[in-house]
Order: sequence, then C-alpha cells, then structure tokens
Amino acid sequence: EAQVTQNPRYLITVTGKKLTVTCSQNMNHEYMSWYRQDPGLGLRQIYYSMNVEVTDKGDVPEGYKVSRKEKRNFPLILESPSPNQTSLYFCASSFGVIGLHEQFFGPGTRLTVL
Amino acid sequence: QKEVEQNSGPLSVPEGAIASLNCTYSDRGSQSFFWYRQYSGKSPELIMFIYSNGDKEDGRFTAQLNKASQYVSLLIRDSQPSDSATYLCAVNIGVDQGGKLIFGQGTELSVKP
Repeated sequence: EAQVTQNPRYLITVTGKKLTVTCSQNMNHEYMSWYRQDPGLGLRQIYYSMNVEVTDKGDVPEGYKVSRKEKRNFPLILESPSPNQTSLYFCASSFGVIGLHEQFFGPGTRLTVL
Repeated sequence: QKEVEQNSGPLSVPEGAIASLNCTYSDRGSQSFFWYRQYSGKSPELIMFIYSNGDKEDGRFTAQLNKASQYVSLLIRDSQPSDSATYLCAVNIGVDQGGKLIFGQGTELSVKP
C-alpha cells in the first residue's frame, strides 16, 4: 500500500530533551516536506526537500533540523524542544514540485513539550 | 495581510444544499491552487487542484479560480453529512519557489441532516 508513515504518533517530552520524528514514504517521491498545524494558524511548512541531500527552509524552520540521506526517509529533529513546539506535525511527500503536485500526508505526530 | 486567507467558519449548511468555500491569496505570481479536506483527527487529503482561470468540476465539487481578483473557491453541490470537515486552501507562493506551499487556516464545514 502506497503510504507515508510517521513515528511516533504521540509523544510527550520535556523541555530540552532531543527528539526525532521519523517519516518514511514508499512511493519513490522526490519531494518531501514537514508541516506543523496549530489552531487558528493552519498548516505551516517547516522544511522541505527536493531530493537526497537537498533541503530548504519553509516558513517556520527555527528550532528544527532535517536530513535527507535516503530518498524514502525525511526525519525531523528537535535538538532542544521548547513548549512552543507543542503541535501536531505532518510529513508529506509528492511526486514532483510541491507547489505544483498533490502531496500525500502521513497520519500526524502529536507532540507535547512540557 | 496573511498570504492565504479563509473564513474559519464554522459554515453550516443543510443536507442537499450547496456549500461555498472561499479563499483569497496575496501573491499574484502564484500558479497552482489546491483544496484539501481534513476530517477531525486525520491528515489532509487532496480534493481538487486548479491552475487556470475559470471553473474545474469533479463530481459534486467545483473549483473556481479568478487570478485577477486573487481568489479561489470550492463549491460542494448536494452537500452530505460526510462532507463535514475542515477545508484547507493551499497556494504555491512565488514562481521560483516551487517547494513552498502556503495553507490558509481552513474553513470548518458542518452539513446538517
């Protein structure tokens, strides 16, 4: 089944404790992206990647890191999480340029930083 | 001014009516426009996309784009309770920024039986 998977689905952590949210897609998509979703603010893009080893900042990259060492994986790293990073996070992938093609979203990761 | 704006709603319509969802955007260089549906607690899923001025129809859904006025709308005909969800408008920003997609805050639609 073609899909985007994320792990973990739920995470409660404390301020400053490094964490990684994994994202994997099995559709051989070139483009991948991370979003956070907050009430009243909608989906905001954190980072995106056009291919292996090629990434760029979205609208809200501060406090986040990403890497794209393999085509299928695009982990999101929070080196020192803070409470304002409590949010619902979505990973997405698309066959082509994100602004021109459909994106397929993962199931989401609900993160709480205490 | 926000780059992509939607009325947050909730928009309530009776079953069988036409639901009209609107979205305005600020970047005149935007080329592609998407409507995603998001059920509560779920991830967004694409309903329609539109690139050219005018209407695009797909079943009960019609997307309308007016680049001169910088708005895009989604009409849902014969609305069903299963259409109750939040609808997200997304716009690519900047001709050269192919990777950037800006979402509106979403409009919550409620279809009453």
